[in-house]
Amino acid sequence: GEDVEQSLFLSVREGDSSVINCTYTDSSSTYLYWYKQEPGAGLQLLTYIFSNMDMKQDQRLTVLLNKKDKHLSLRIADTQTGDSAIYFCAENPYSHGQNFVFGPGTRLSVLP
Amino acid sequence: EAQVTQNPRYLITVTGKKLTVTCSQNMNHEYMSWYRQDPGLGLRQIYYSMNVEVTDKGDVPEGYKVSRKEKRNFPLILESPSPNQTSLYFCASSFGTSGSFSSYNEQFFGPGTRLTVL
Repeated sequence: GEDVEQSLFLSVREGDSSVINCTYTDSSSTYLYWYKQEPGAGLQLLTYIFSNMDMKQDQRLTVLLNKKDKHLSLRIADTQTGDSAIYFCAENPYSHGQNFVFGPGTRLSVLP
Repeated sequence: EAQVTQNPRYLITVTGKKLTVTCSQNMNHEYMSWYRQDPGLGLRQIYYSMNVEVTDKGDVPEGYKVSRKEKRNFPLILESPSPNQTSLYFCASSFGTSGSFSSYNEQFFGPGTRLTVL
């Protein structure tokens, strides 16, 4: 079945780059998404990428997609303490209609 | 302000005492969904609704009920809560089936309800 995998934890120093990785199994998703969950809050859409793109850049965020390997990554440049959160990778497989499949989330800790 | 609201935000209850968590959205979204979030498991879908009076099971529906009598509201009902339903619950909504599958699709999430069943 459909599955999305992520490592559960990542620690970086303030000012360094963070790279959060994700692998997925269903290649039918037209879009792939990154959601951010700050402490005590719900999830908010951070960015997304169309499946026929290799890369998308949005200010400090860079999304890379390797469709052949079904690998998605999120790079945060110049990571700040405010970036500390849980980051969820998600896909929206064709077979699922409007339903999403979320990864387990990567908890990013930014150390001063 | 466009938003999804949930109530209550926190709830401590005892085994077997029926409870309802409300969810409301003001964006005229067709699609609504309930998830539970548990450490290391991410978000698992409980139930979803494509439109009024249309609901369907997600991945973990056992022990839960939902209803969709109005477009804006999608309450989650636990008829007889048990300790294994202690979790963080999220409601979400999005524009629904009127779009094509090639459309970008953002889900908007509520702030969450932390439920503890003793």
